[in-house]
Amino acid sequence: EVQLLESGGGLVQPGGSLRLSCAASGFTFSNYVMTWVRQVPEKGLEYVSTITASGGDTYYAESVKGRFTISRDNSKNMLSLQLNSLRADDAAIYYCAKGGPSSSREGPDYWGQGTLVTVSS
Amino acid sequence: DVVMTQSPLSLPVTLGQPASISCRSSQSLAHSDGNTYLNWFQQRPGQSPRRLIYKVSNRDSGVPDRFSGSGSGTDFTLKIDRVEAEDVGVYYCMQGTHWLYTFGQGTKLEIK
Repeated sequence: EVQLLESGGGLVQPGGSLRLSCAASGFTFSNYVMTWVRQVPEKGLEYVSTITASGGDTYYAESVKGRFTISRDNSKNMLSLQLNSLRADDAAIYYCAKGGPSSSREGPDYWGQGTLVTVSS
Repeated sequence: DVVMTQSPLSLPVTLGQPASISCRSSQSLAHSDGNTYLNWFQQRPGQSPRRLIYKVSNRDSGVPDRFSGSGSGTDFTLKIDRVEAEDVGVYYCMQGTHWLYTFGQGTKLEIK
């Protein structure tokens, strides 16, 4: 059974940093594209960042480029998202999601339960 | 970015009746590889999103066959043949043809 378990969310001040993690199990992690999608509670969904299976290529939404960094450790089946220079509009539930073998064009087929990031002074 | 526009945003439906959600994109979603990357997701109250349909009309494993997707180019539709109580939630279309992949604003399905 595929499982994605996020952690690391919490309350942070504007300008602060946070590191989100996602522990994956139930599939061969190193063979799949992984993605972070965020959702303001009761609002819509927004792609944040995607990383290829090898970790060699990364993609970001313009709104987070230069502030967020996606990475993965295939030896530990872990996906991470480093969030720096946080702003109020970054506050959201962040979902770790599994893509396909070579892309996430078909949309994530498995999602974690999400971790809540709150940005407030 | 490609803008995905769903209608209606609110969809009250009587149990057992059909439902239909429209999704229009600001650019064609036909990819040069021959595929059209239009996907549909369901988010039940208090749950994470779940993919229902990928590449316009392919149902995911475990998705009831009362759900179907159709369309091409910029115009797509999700249909539910006979709405059941478990179908309550928000439905999102999502395009994966052009980076940044984008979602529609969501359609909230409720039972009348």
